[in-house]
Amino acid sequence: EVQLVESGGDLVQPGGSLRLSCAASGFTFTTSEMNWVRQAPGKGLEWVSYISGGGDVIYDADSVRGRFTISRDNAKKSLYLQMNRLRAEDTAVYYCARDAPTTVPSYFDSWGQGTLVTVSS
Amino acid sequence: KVMTQSPATLSVSPGETATLSCRASHSVGTNLAWYQQKPGQAPRLLIYGTSSRATGVPARFSGRGSGTDFTLTISSLQSEDFALYYCQQYHFWPRTFGQGTKVEI
Repeated sequence: EVQLVESGGDLVQPGGSLRLSCAASGFTFTTSEMNWVRQAPGKGLEWVSYISGGGDVIYDADSVRGRFTISRDNAKKSLYLQMNRLRAEDTAVYYCARDAPTTVPSYFDSWGQGTLVTVSS
Repeated sequence: KVMTQSPATLSVSPGETATLSCRASHSVGTNLAWYQQKPGQAPRLLIYGTSSRATGVPARFSGRGSGTDFTLTISSLQSEDFALYYCQQYHFWPRTFGQGTKVEI
């Protein structure tokens, strides 16, 4: 069974930094393309970042480019999101989501339960 | 690419059929997915490739369309189907979602 468990969400001041983690299990993480998707309180879903299985291809949403960095450690089966220069509008639940394997282009076939990031003074 | 869902809220009775619409600003072929989200839960994949049901999704959920116009139909609504539904295109980067349709009793 695919499991994705996010952690690291917290209350942080504007301009601060935070690192989110996503622990993966139940599938071959090394070859899985992964994403972060966020949802502001009471709002819709917004894709944030994508990383290929080997970590050599990365795409970011315009809203976070230059501030957020997606990365992965395949040996630890973990996905990360380093968030710098945080703004109030980054307040959201952040989900780790897997691309459906062997499908190009792909959709999100598995999601974690999410971790809440609150940016406020 | 902008995804527009309608209506924002759909009020239906159990046992009835709900039809949700999703329109893309540019053709996305059949690279369209639907997700269901219940309060306090993560989204769940329902439909991919416009019309293919994800594993475990009941046959009362069906999707159709291509290009720019898509629909999700939920036949014989059950109590557990009252939720938020999002469409999402994965034809272009960035992947984009519609704003959601709430299906309520």
